[in-house]
Amino acid sequence: NAGVTQTPKFRILKIGQSMTLQCTQDMNHNYMYWYRQDPGMGLKLIYYSVGAGITDKGEVPNGYNVSRSTTEDFPLRLELAAPSQTSVYFCASSYSPDGQPQHFGDGTRLSIL
Amino acid sequence: DQQVKQNSPSLSVQEGRISILNCDYTNSMFDYFLWYKKYPAEGPTFLISISSIKDKNEDGRFTVFLNKSAKHLSLHIVPSQPGDSAVYFCAAVSGTYKYIFGTGTRLKVLA
Repeated sequence: NAGVTQTPKFRILKIGQSMTLQCTQDMNHNYMYWYRQDPGMGLKLIYYSVGAGITDKGEVPNGYNVSRSTTEDFPLRLELAAPSQTSVYFCASSYSPDGQPQHFGDGTRLSIL
Repeated sequence: DQQVKQNSPSLSVQEGRISILNCDYTNSMFDYFLWYKKYPAEGPTFLISISSIKDKNEDGRFTVFLNKSAKHLSLHIVPSQPGDSAVYFCAAVSGTYKYIFGTGTRLKVLA
């Protein structure tokens, strides 16, 4: 039972480069989320999706894009990477948003130099 | 504007004793509160939750208490074990798909 799988686990980017963080879940959850966690801070919601083809902005969406073409996959795209995007990124999924626990991947640690 | 606050960045407790982790919130519209545990290099894992219509929920060694009038919840771990050493996050959700997380409390259980 894989749960939520994120790739890559680590990545170093140069300023201005682009990349896609991959996230896939095998629990048939409709709801998926992307968070970033900066040192000493809580998780901040970047984008979320309530089902295939439906996405919406969270608290800190600037500099990111998402797509949701299937129930399983929810990739996060960084365009024109900036040092402020250095963070740990977590993908999560849940059966429903009404208090159901979210299942998290193990994160992608991203450094922008 | 931090809607969910964990004011204690760290806590140390002796093995076998009670650990009490606290969380305060400002939005009275939150419907559910959840606690997650996080080990280094891993994602958060769900621990226990409570609905806003309840004041207590228990699961084994873990109990969450909710005081709506004070907008305060706490997680009690009894007895504490070394394996409980981790960062604990509280989170709240109001049915808008947006879970709001606190900044976490690092618990260290001393053997």
